[in-house]
Amino acid sequence: EADIYQTPRYLVIGTGKKITLECSQTMGHDKMYWYQQDPGMELHLIHYSYGVNSTEKGDLSSESTVSRIRTEHFPLTLESARPSHTSQYLCASSDSSAPGPQHFGDGTRLSIL
Amino acid sequence: AQKVTQAQTEISVVEKEDVTLDCVYETRDTTYYLFWYKQPPSGELVFLIRRNSFDEQNEISGRYSWNFQKSTSSFNFTITASQVVDSAVYFCALSEGYDYKLSFGAGTTVTVRA
Repeated sequence: EADIYQTPRYLVIGTGKKITLECSQTMGHDKMYWYQQDPGMELHLIHYSYGVNSTEKGDLSSESTVSRIRTEHFPLTLESARPSHTSQYLCASSDSSAPGPQHFGDGTRLSIL
Repeated sequence: AQKVTQAQTEISVVEKEDVTLDCVYETRDTTYYLFWYKQPPSGELVFLIRRNSFDEQNEISGRYSWNFQKSTSSFNFTITASQVVDSAVYFCALSEGYDYKLSFGAGTTVTVRA
């Protein structure tokens, strides 16, 4: 069973604040992903990483940034939060076998006031 | 262009009815992978199945079954004898070639009433 953890689970914060959403996995997966999802809507890939020191932007443009200094950790940062950033952010990971299932965390529901 | 189309936005059924969710995909690759995920109200995504383009065998897992037809580029999902716990949003997704990224459909919300 996949072990991937996201914190915080919920975050309500004011405009202009710097935010870091944490994502950690214990499976040793080299591939990790961040998706943005509005409630009940489709998932949009915003960042992905295929290994340490490797990060790429996804299909949906995002003002957020990511880093991958350690295999197990893939944090997402918003330097200055805006109400348009209000959404759910889902982190996922997968191993290096032929495109295998991505295992998802519980998500962070972010609300910017 | 949308690579994965889930034409049904919402489906509502009474418990014990069967539910079929449609998924149509578009790709030029001969090698690709298809997935179904379930997202219950709690919000996490739960992996249900992966199918590669070379394996057209249908699959059954308990009350769940999947029908893969390359001729119509469809990968449909049926829940037999639905239960209230099946209420969720179901997503179909596509991975093309050996790209590990997933393209998701818009999802189908299934509501099972007691």
